[in-house]
Amino acid sequence: DTGVSQNPRHKITKRGQNVTFRCDPISEHNRLYWYRQTLGQGPEFLTYFQNEAQLEKSRLLSDRFSAERPKGSFSTLEIQRTEQGDSAMYLCASIPPGTVSATQYFGPGTRLLVL
Amino acid sequence: AQKVTQAQTEISVVEKEDVTLDCVYETRDTTYYLFWYKQPPSGELVFLIRRNSFDEQNEISGRYSWNFQKSTSSFNFTITASQVVDSAVYFCALSEGYNAGNMLTFGGGTRLMVKP
Repeated sequence: DTGVSQNPRHKITKRGQNVTFRCDPISEHNRLYWYRQTLGQGPEFLTYFQNEAQLEKSRLLSDRFSAERPKGSFSTLEIQRTEQGDSAMYLCASIPPGTVSATQYFGPGTRLLVL
Repeated sequence: AQKVTQAQTEISVVEKEDVTLDCVYETRDTTYYLFWYKQPPSGELVFLIRRNSFDEQNEISGRYSWNFQKSTSSFNFTITASQVVDSAVYFCALSEGYNAGNMLTFGGGTRLMVKP
């Protein structure tokens, strides 16, 4: 059973460009979470999906951010018109269905640098 | 609202010393879950332990032990006989469980440096 995977691992972009990240959760995990971690801080929740439905979004998720999970498997997180403040590590995690106290298992993250 | 506080931003010890990482949490829920994660320089968050709010038994796993005290809203983590490989950032986190969405609220992390 492979773990959560994320691509790309690193992304450098210029301010104003759009970027898209992908997360592949552990097989059969129905919930998928996105977090953002800025330098020297703990991760902060952005949004999560149960299957293909996006159930909650943090106020951190501005209009420039959009996340999808079209078939309930992999998910994408897109940032439009990137700003330098978007520079961070973007982490994805997943959990299996039905477990009340489920532990989230994280992918390796995508490190974004906006110049 | 939930909150997790890790007052120690950085700790430096010499190998073989014992070290305790503090975690204090706030929640209005009676059912919640506490976690510790390790983040080595590679960046990936590695799960270490989960405790639920109904189980205050302390736990030991090898050189690691955890002390959960509801009375003080604390969930401290002790590494015995620290090793250089323990150097990492450690995060304490809180969740209200699956039915509440299971989102994690993290503390700011404690950077542990173990010197040879």
